[in-house]
Formats: sequence, structure tokens, C-alpha cells
Amino acid sequence: QVQLQESGPGLVKPSGTLSLTCVVSGGSISTSHWWSWVRQPPGKGLEWIGEIYHTGSTNYNPPLKSRVTISVDKSKNQFSLNLSSVTAADTAVYYCARKLFGPSYYYDYWGQGTLVTVSS
Amino acid sequence: DIQMTQSPPSLSASVGDSVTITCRASRSISNYLNWFQQKPGKAPKLLIYAASSFQSGVPSRFSGSGSGTDFTLTISSLQPDDFATYYCQQSYSTPSFGQGTKLEIK
Repeated sequence: QVQLQESGPGLVKPSGTLSLTCVVSGGSISTSHWWSWVRQPPGKGLEWIGEIYHTGSTNYNPPLKSRVTISVDKSKNQFSLNLSSVTAADTAVYYCARKLFGPSYYYDYWGQGTLVTVSS
Repeated sequence: DIQMTQSPPSLSASVGDSVTITCRASRSISNYLNWFQQKPGKAPKLLIYAASSFQSGVPSRFSGSGSGTDFTLTISSLQPDDFATYYCQQSYSTPSFGQGTKLEIK
């Protein structure tokens, strides 16, 4: 059973950089899946941030693309999110998830989420 | 980008009722449509993928249909555990989610 676990600071100052890591257990990150980040502001809906393949190929959501970097560390079976120049609008629960290819592309495994608050 | 519009935003129903949630895409997405259930403080849970395929372990009272731009999620014979927020999500292009439908107990 694949499990994903997010970790990182729960508080980031405005204009700073949000950094989170997602550790994958129960399976290798070097499989034919993409590994994604999704966020959810308090009381609001879900927003896709971006994704990475174990080769290092990435795709980002255009509105966030200039501020987002997603990287992978195969030796640690984990991937990471960096979001720069954060504001209060970036306060959200951040989830990592696995994207599976099938008759559609869908997210079958998710981390439990971690709340990141942007505040001074 | 593709906009996903869900209706209704909220819905009240009783245990045993049948309910339908609608999701409309701003342009055709074939069957690249997934449905998630989310409970407070929890990650989204995949229910349906490719518009009508059941994720393993999901009860058969959940069903999905549609293609192109119009999709529905139907929950028959509501159980207490089904009261949650439901999201549709398209994977045809840059992924995007509907705004959610909150299903509450009447």
C-alpha cells in the first residue's frame, strides 16, 4: 500500500519561500506515475500546483509557474515543492498525490495534507 | 484553461435518498473526468475515474456518467457516511477542479 507524507514548516513569512517535502513509502517513486502537489485554502476548493516525473520532467499550473519549483530525490524516495514570494493568499493545506495513467489520469493516493500559514 | 462548474453548490438530503450532482466543463474533455469525496480535515478520496469507472473499494451506490462537457455523480440510498463535499476534476488538460458540492443531512 503506497503512502505519502508531507512535511515542512507550518508558518512562512510573507515574501519568503514555502518549502515542503513528500515522502513516498510502500513503493518506489521511480515508477510510471507522476507525483503532484495540490492545495486548498481554508474553506475553499482544490487547486492543482504541479507535478514531477522521476526523470525530473515537470508540469506547472500557469498562474503559479513563475513561483513554483518541484524537484525529486530518488535516493530518498521523495519529492519537494518550493513556492517563492508567498503572500497570505498562499495560506492553504498542501497535499501531495500520485497520478495514475489509465483511461483517464487520476489521483489515487494522497497524503494527509499539511497546513501552511503565511503570516509575519 | 478549462473551467469546471458544479451544481448545486450545496444539497440537503436524508438517509436513504438518492441525489445527483452535476459537473459541466467549459469545453469538451471527452471522459477525462474524476470525482472525489472530501470530509473535513481529510484528503480527497477518489470515487470515480474516467467519468464512470469505480475506484477499488468504493460502494456501488456511487455511480458516474457523462462525456464531452456534461457529467453527473449519483449517490443512491444515501448512507450517513456519505455526507461530505464532492468535487469533480478534469484531467484532459492542466488539471482543474469544480468548486465543490456540500452534501448535508436534512
